Amino acid sequence: GENVEQHPSTLSVQEGDSAVIKCTYSDSASNYFPWYKQELGKGPQLIIDIRSNVGEKKDQRIAVTLNKTAKHFSLHITETQPEDSAVYFCAASLYSGNTPLVFGKGTRLSVIA
Amino acid sequence: DGGITQSPKYLFRKEGQNVTLSCEQNLNHDAMYWYRQDPGQGLRLIYYSQIVNDFQKGDIAEGYSVSREKKESFPLTVTSAQKNPTAFYLCASSMGVGPNQPQHFGDGTRLSIL
Repeated sequence: GENVEQHPSTLSVQEGDSAVIKCTYSDSASNYFPWYKQELGKGPQLIIDIRSNVGEKKDQRIAVTLNKTAKHFSLHITETQPEDSAVYFCAASLYSGNTPLVFGKGTRLSVIA
Repeated sequence: DGGITQSPKYLFRKEGQNVTLSCEQNLNHDAMYWYRQDPGQGLRLIYYSQIVNDFQKGDIAEGYSVSREKKESFPLTVTSAQKNPTAFYLCASSMGVGPNQPQHFGDGTRLSIL
């Protein structure tokens, strides 16, 4: 089955700097890659997603890039702010149609003011 | 407002007891999921259901049971067979199961053993 590896597990950046979180997946048939943000005591919330027919997608300070050849995708957060501090999860979905998302283990991002 | 409601937010269980966690959604989603979250382990799938009266085991189903009698509801029972039940439990739903189906999560139930 699909396996998703996420790095790093923790990341600290200064406010205003950029943060990058990387994920790799094992099944080349996967075609949907969402990113979730989880704040303390809350459930994860979808922040951005990308499909395999697109190489990059941006939404204000957040961007996701996908390299299908290398089977990895990354989340980029620019001009980080303290409210970006949270746990971020990547996920991948097989194309088979009846298989749920497979999640990475998460990255705890701390933005230091 | 549409969304997913999990209750209770905190739950305590005595050794040997079964407990049931509630999950209700008013998003008219067909698929629902239960995940367990432990520190450093990410989200691990317990059970999921694509349609009423049908559900499938996830990666860590042992010691858990579910039912899906109504589209809106997907309760999870943590049985006494689950030897390490202390964790944060998350329920989610989506329009369907599979690619391009964003999942919407509730705010979780934290289960602790007394």
